[in-house]
Amino acid sequence: EVQLVQSGAEMKKPGESLKISCKGSGYRFTSYWIGWVRQLPGKGLEWMGIIYPGDSDTRYSASFEGQVTISADKSINTAYLQWTSLKASDTAMYYCGRPSYGSGTFADPFDYWGQGTLVTVSS
Amino acid sequence: DIVMTQSPDSLAVSLGERATINCKSSQNILHSSNNKSYIAWYQQKPGQPPKLLLYWASTRESGVPDRFSGSGSGTDFTLTIGSLQAEDLAVYYCQQFYSTPTFGQGTQVEIK
Repeated sequence: EVQLVQSGAEMKKPGESLKISCKGSGYRFTSYWIGWVRQLPGKGLEWMGIIYPGDSDTRYSASFEGQVTISADKSINTAYLQWTSLKASDTAMYYCGRPSYGSGTFADPFDYWGQGTLVTVSS
Repeated sequence: DIVMTQSPDSLAVSLGERATINCKSSQNILHSSNNKSYIAWYQQKPGQPPKLLLYWASTRESGVPDRFSGSGSGTDFTLTIGSLQAEDLAVYYCQQFYSTPTFGQGTQVEIK
């Protein structure tokens, strides 16, 4: 059974750094893209970026390029989303996801999702 | 970026009635190489991650009830819930995957 399990909720102060994780199981981790989606409180979904753990090919939405870093450690089947200096506007739920269908590109829709990690940034 | 615009923002439908959600893309998302429209539909219930319902505009994800159907091509697409059930209360999103993915703003479906 494919599962994506995310790290727990985080409460941080502005300016602090943070790395949240998404551990994949039940499939060959290096053979599927794994990406991140942001959901601001009470708002819609925003696709942030994605990584192919097999070769670390990483793509970002223009809105998030330079704002976050996506990485993966294939030795422990885990993808990461990282900030170096958090802002209050980063307060959101963050979901990881993995595609199975489509054209085999980085843009394919996610049919597996993590449970979400709530990040709260407040002074 | 391709902008996805959904309508309406919310709708209230009686149980057993049809619900229709529209999604318009700012550019053509029909790929000429395979004649497929690169659009997916998701359902998100409160406190849950999104759930993929349809992709390639009309291909139903495994396990999705057949009351959910999708149609359209080019820039105009529709998600139809054929006979609304109580468990369909949710927000529905379209997403294009023709290029760097973008979502519509969401449509809240309520029970009348």
